[in-house]
Amino acid sequence: SQTIHQWPATLVQPVGSPLSLECTVEGTSNPNLYWYRQAAGRGLQLLFYSVGIGQISSEVPQNLSASRPQDRQFILSSKKLLLSDSGFYLCAWSAAGASYEQYFGPGTRLTVT
Amino acid sequence: AQSVAQPEDQVNVAEGNPLTVKCTYSVSGNPYLFWYVQYPNRGLQFLLKYITGDNLVKGSYGFEAEFNKSQTSFHLKKPSALVSDSALYFCAVRDWLGGNEKLTFGTGTRLTIIP
Repeated sequence: SQTIHQWPATLVQPVGSPLSLECTVEGTSNPNLYWYRQAAGRGLQLLFYSVGIGQISSEVPQNLSASRPQDRQFILSSKKLLLSDSGFYLCAWSAAGASYEQYFGPGTRLTVT
Repeated sequence: AQSVAQPEDQVNVAEGNPLTVKCTYSVSGNPYLFWYVQYPNRGLQFLLKYITGDNLVKGSYGFEAEFNKSQTSFHLKKPSALVSDSALYFCAVRDWLGGNEKLTFGTGTRLTIIP
């Protein structure tokens, strides 16, 4: 069966520091991968999605970037964090050709101080 | 773009009573609709989907949803609520971004089951 991992589970970082969040998927090949941010425990904002290695698309411009160095690895990064980057970050995957059925990781709670 | 609306931020239901969490949609073409649940500090879990076929869709944990084309609704229901059903519920619709499929989520409804 497929599983999705995210780490770390929680992170507290000062303003201006770099960020790296990692997401990996097991049990499937060539998945579509997604990064979402959930602010204030409510709505979900799609940040990035990837349909293959090195292929990244961004939903909205922001202080963050994403990379996909391997088929089942998706990394969310920032060079300098802002207070507004605080939130709950969720990684998700879907099978290629069925992008609408997504499965989510456990999430990373980021607090920027 | 496709969209879904969840008109209620909060729904409170007594344990054992039936529950309904509302969702309406606005799409061009045939809608692909979904419900997800999120427990505190956890990722979203898939509950059920409607793509085609029967208007009543059954999903996980005893939940079901009714697709109503004339009312453009896809309400989530359960005959008898449990305290453990308390969570944040999201309705979602298939959408498109740059030629690729994606999900567009509603704003979420917080369901509280009162013992």
